[in-house]
Amino acid sequence: DADVTQTPRNRITKTGKRIMLECSQTKGHDRMYWYRQDPGLGLQLIYYSFDVKDINKGEISDGYSVSRQAQAKFSLSLESAIPNQTALYFCATSDPGQGAGYTFGSGTRLTVV
Amino acid sequence: AQKVTQAQTEISVVEKEDVTLDCVYETRDTTYYLFWYKQPPSGELVFLIRRNSFDEQNEISGRYSWNFQKSTSSFNFTITASQVVDSAVYFCALSEARQGAQKLVFGQGTRLTINP
Repeated sequence: DADVTQTPRNRITKTGKRIMLECSQTKGHDRMYWYRQDPGLGLQLIYYSFDVKDINKGEISDGYSVSRQAQAKFSLSLESAIPNQTALYFCATSDPGQGAGYTFGSGTRLTVV
Repeated sequence: AQKVTQAQTEISVVEKEDVTLDCVYETRDTTYYLFWYKQPPSGELVFLIRRNSFDEQNEISGRYSWNFQKSTSSFNFTITASQVVDSAVYFCALSEARQGAQKLVFGQGTRLTINP
């Protein structure tokens, strides 16, 4: 099994629908992140979590919410999906040491029509 | 604010040519980390290298090499004798360690196409 698993891998949804993207990890890391990738913009941070009780907004949190159900699980929700949220979404984990690299999931490709 | 700039949006070369991907960063931190990631057409992000701000030694790994120069705030990536399998989007990233959580700040990415 992959260290960081994202589900679903691909999803098409309609405008206005609520959708949840799920992420689970087997790395035992406390720190988890959600990023969004748009063509030509690199990856932008949506939310990050130090541990189960600590959740923080990133650069582009509007329109998104998250839930850290357990150390191993970090879900991203789009409360009312809109077309400009069409993107590739990545979950990542890291250990606490500065400079620790990320372990990324395989990504969820979301299309809002 | 920390920033990473990859000025080359797309590069296209013929197989076996050498190619350099540029990365320029901005930070006020004295301690920081720089990364390169590869994103092949399949979409996943593959870690290539990490370099801390106190280590300016260049690094070579097979056909890949990295040149870190603090004086110019650059961390460039060179592929020697490129191959079609090197075709991917490459991201440079900077580790921001404020608030106890290292957040990666990414450049816009460079799409590299190696033509046979």
